[in-house]
Amino acid sequence: ETGVTQTPRHLVMGMTNKKSLKCEQHLGHNAMYWYKQSAKKPLELMFVYNFKEQTENNSVPSRFSPECPNSSHLFLHLHTLQPEDSALYLCASSQKGQGLTGELFFGEGSRLTVL
Amino acid sequence: AQKITQTQPGMFVQEKEAVTLDCTYDTSDPSYGLFWYKQPSSGEMIFLIYQGSYDQQNATEGRYSLNFQKARKSANLVISASQLGDSAMYFCAMREEGGYSTLTFGKGTMLLVSP
Repeated sequence: ETGVTQTPRHLVMGMTNKKSLKCEQHLGHNAMYWYKQSAKKPLELMFVYNFKEQTENNSVPSRFSPECPNSSHLFLHLHTLQPEDSALYLCASSQKGQGLTGELFFGEGSRLTVL
Repeated sequence: AQKITQTQPGMFVQEKEAVTLDCTYDTSDPSYGLFWYKQPSSGEMIFLIYQGSYDQQNATEGRYSLNFQKARKSANLVISASQLGDSAMYFCAMREEGGYSTLTFGKGTMLLVSP
């Protein structure tokens, strides 16, 4: 069983809907990430949170809004999405302070389809 | 320019044979880390192996080994004695010293293991 849990696993939404993706990590890590995985593209880093503070936002459109209420939970709020936003959204966590070696632990992803 | 290049979109191998998945990288940082992840159809990214830029020996983890050629900037993954369960997408990733916590991924290689 993965230490990072994502819900829902599948989501279909219209362009005018508002929905949220949830991520919870049970590993005691202090950093959490959202990645977007589209077909035939490398994983794209979207947001990074360290100790609940957002430290990176890789030019992500404002229709994606992250929220990190504590170091164990991470949300991605979705609003007015476009069909090209359909992708697998992966949440990950890691322990900062391990230098270069600390690997990321991923959830199974939320498969989003925007109609 | 891409930081991580995986030139093989797909690879086929017979069960019990060895296979090499290619990865080249681009960085000007003297200190960096290289990772390989496996992504089965379930979606979860599973960490396989890590190689640090200053490590003298090639990393090994069970049936996985990393053929690290620093001068060529390559970090190929070798899977020995392939198993049917090895069929999955494989991603090479890098953490640069300046990037601190984030990983940059390649586009991946789909490996299919046949009986």
